[in-house]
Order: sequence, then structure tokens, then C-alpha cells
Amino acid sequence: GNSVTQMEGPVTLSEEAFLTINCTYTATGYPSLFWYVQYPGEGLQLLLKATKADDKGSNKGFEATYRKETTSFHLEKGSVQVSDSAVYFCALYEIGNQFYFGTGTSLTVIP
Amino acid sequence: EAEVAQSPRYKITEKSQAVAFWCDPISGHATLYWYRQILGQGPELLVQFQDESVVDDSQLPKDRFSAERLKGVDSTLKIQPAELGDSAMYLCASRGDPGAYEQYFGPGTRLTVT
Repeated sequence: GNSVTQMEGPVTLSEEAFLTINCTYTATGYPSLFWYVQYPGEGLQLLLKATKADDKGSNKGFEATYRKETTSFHLEKGSVQVSDSAVYFCALYEIGNQFYFGTGTSLTVIP
Repeated sequence: EAEVAQSPRYKITEKSQAVAFWCDPISGHATLYWYRQILGQGPELLVQFQDESVVDDSQLPKDRFSAERLKGVDSTLKIQPAELGDSAMYLCASRGDPGAYEQYFGPGTRLTVT
């Protein structure tokens, strides 16, 4: 079956540090991959997506590349800000199936 | 910008009571999802609608949970009776045409069962 595994948090970084949050997946077909962000007390917001192998999704300085050979979709940002503090979820979706979410990685950025 | 609306935002109820949540998806979105998110975990699908029809409710605890989307627009999720283990965030999301991958989430309803 389909599943998503994320690195466990919490992650604490200083402002302007480099961020990597690892995500690997298991899928029976050819899924689309997503990163969602959740701020305290709010619903999930789509951060970026990639729909096929070797695609790179990017938004607000965050990037993730769909790596089929390693079944990974790691989230990166070169210089984090305090406002990036949130919980990040990796997710996959296959047409005709449901969305599968990872357990989330909490990020805290300190000034 | 169109948003998914949910109400109430917060609900405290005693166990064995009934509780209901409401969701209004983005206008024109045919697919509607209800998720349950336990603190520290990712969302888990409870039920998926396509227009007014249930597409997937395999993970809905049907002895106590029910969901409806009578006119294919807004939706209600009900729990009766509520149990302590139902304390969680209940998220609604909607998706546009079948070729669209993105789903858009509402702010959620935080349920506390005492």
C-alpha cells in the first residue's frame, strides 16, 4: 500500500540556517508528491508539489525534487526565517486513490 | 481568494453527547474530504465525497460517525455519542476538477471531549 515517512522532529534551527526535512514514500503507481505547511491552530496549506519524476517544486524559497530512484521528496530551504516556524507534512496522491500524509515535522526557527 | 469554511472553530463536549461540524468547500469544488488529525500526527481520511455521493468511507467509524453532503455543496460530519478518544482536529478539504491535484483545507474544528 501507499505510505509516507518523514524524519521525526522537532527541528530547531537558527535564523538563516539551511533546512532539510527528509521524506520518503511507498507507492504502487506513479504518485504526485506534496509538501503542506500548518501554522498553529490552522489548517494545512499547500507549499509545493511535483507531479512526475525529476520535477522540482518550489515556493517561498522552499524546494523539493521528486526522486523516483530513491523514492524521496526532501524539503529544503537555504535560509530559514522565524516566520517559517510551523509543522511540515509530506503527502502523496495517486489518481483514484486517497491522499496519504506523513506524521509531520515541527520546525522552530530561533532569532 | 476563495477559502474552505468550517464551523465551529472550537468545540468542547462531554462524552456521550452528540456533536456536529459543518464545512462549506470552495465554490464549484466537487470533491470534499473530511480528515481527523490527532495531535502530533498527520491527517487521516474519514470520508470522501464526489458531489453528493460517498466515494470512500472505509475509515469512518460508522457506529458513531456519520457524514452527509445532501446537495453536493456543504457538508456535515456528526459524532454520536462522542468518546474521549475523539478529541482531535477535524479538517475539511476540497478539490476542484478531477485533473487537479491540489486540495485546499479549511481552518479545522478543534474538538475536546471531556
